[in-house]
Amino acid sequence: GDSVTQMEGPVTLSEEAFLTINCTYTATGYPSLFWYVQYPGEGLQLLLKATKADDKGSNKGFEATYRKETTSFHLEKGSVQVSDSAVYFCALQNTGGFKTIFGAGTRLFVKA
Amino acid sequence: DVKVTQSSRYLVKRTGEKVFLECVQDMDHENMFWYRQDPGLGLRLIYFSYDVKMKEKGDIPEGYSVSREKKERFSLILESASTNQTSMYLCASTLGGDTQYFGPGTRLTVL
Repeated sequence: GDSVTQMEGPVTLSEEAFLTINCTYTATGYPSLFWYVQYPGEGLQLLLKATKADDKGSNKGFEATYRKETTSFHLEKGSVQVSDSAVYFCALQNTGGFKTIFGAGTRLFVKA
Repeated sequence: DVKVTQSSRYLVKRTGEKVFLECVQDMDHENMFWYRQDPGLGLRLIYFSYDVKMKEKGDIPEGYSVSREKKERFSLILESASTNQTSMYLCASTLGGDTQYFGPGTRLTVL
């Protein structure tokens, strides 16, 4: 079945460092791909998404490119801030489906 | 903005109690979902509903049931709470099945 694998955390970075969180997926068909973020004490919220191969999703300085050839959707940010400390979830949803498949989540700590 | 609210942020119950978790969304979304979130396991789907009175089992439905009598409200029921149901419970809704909008979560502790 469909699945999402993302790098284990926690990831600890200093402010202004470069961030990469790896995400790979297994799916039949042509899924949409998502990154959700969960700030402390809150539910998840959509960070960015991409619906077809080679699309780049971006928001708040974060980017991810849908790579069908490597079945990947890695999250990147050029310069992280303390306020980016959160748990990040990679997810996929297959065409016409109701269900979203989530990765295990990667906790990011950013130190001042 | 879509708003999804959950009835409690924190809940403490005893083993064997019947527990009700309620979720309400205000944007006329067709689809609603209940997940549980556990460290290292991500989000696991318990049940979802694509219309009033319609429900489908997710990946881990055992020990849970749901009710959707009105479009905006989706309830999760633990018939007889057990300690292994201690978890964070998240409700979400979608319109066309794309982006999910989440509530703030209910942290349930079963003693």
